[in-house]
Amino acid sequence: GQNIDQPTEMTATEGAIVQINCTYQTSGFNGLFWYQQHAGEAPTFLSYNVLDGLEEKGRFSSFLSRSKGYSYLLLKELQMKDSASYLCAVRDRDYQLIWGAGTKLIIKP
Amino acid sequence: SAVISQKPSRDICQRGTSLTIQCQVDSQVTMMFWYRQQPGQSLTLIATANQGSEATYESGFVIDKFPISRPNLTFSTLTVSNMSPEDSSIYLCSVSGTSGSDEQYFGPGTRLTVT
Repeated sequence: GQNIDQPTEMTATEGAIVQINCTYQTSGFNGLFWYQQHAGEAPTFLSYNVLDGLEEKGRFSSFLSRSKGYSYLLLKELQMKDSASYLCAVRDRDYQLIWGAGTKLIIKP
Repeated sequence: SAVISQKPSRDICQRGTSLTIQCQVDSQVTMMFWYRQQPGQSLTLIATANQGSEATYESGFVIDKFPISRPNLTFSTLTVSNMSPEDSSIYLCSVSGTSGSDEQYFGPGTRLTVT
């Protein structure tokens, strides 16, 4: 079956750095997405990786290793507004998006 | 990017009734999807709404329970039929292009409570 694993919850301090990991086992691979979802709101797109390596976008970076079935989302200079759930999703060979359960990130002052 | 609106934003319904949720997109899109999200959980795909033909349902979801219409490239409806408290959830409309790199955009969601 297809499976995406992420930690359920993480806690970090304002101003610090946090890394949210995602491992996946899917039928084929056509890219990996990270989404941010604040409580009570719809998910919003953060990043897309299809080749190995690091994609940097401001305070957020996303890394992919296809051979290891592994990605991480790195958040720097954490702000209180970064408190949200972070969803990892993989597009499989049929171009379906397979979603992880999400990681709830709690930022403390 | 696409701007998506959903109606209603929330509703409280009685067991045994049906609710139709509307999804309107500000531009023509190829792919439209309906998701369900239980509190504190991730997204579960209900079906892909196909323009001019029957929707494609995921395992565990059937047309009789969740009929879907998509009359054109900018509009779709999802009906939750014969509701039970287990149907209480957030229902999200989502759109994307057909390229593998195309991200999905989400509507604001419809919060449904069944009593």
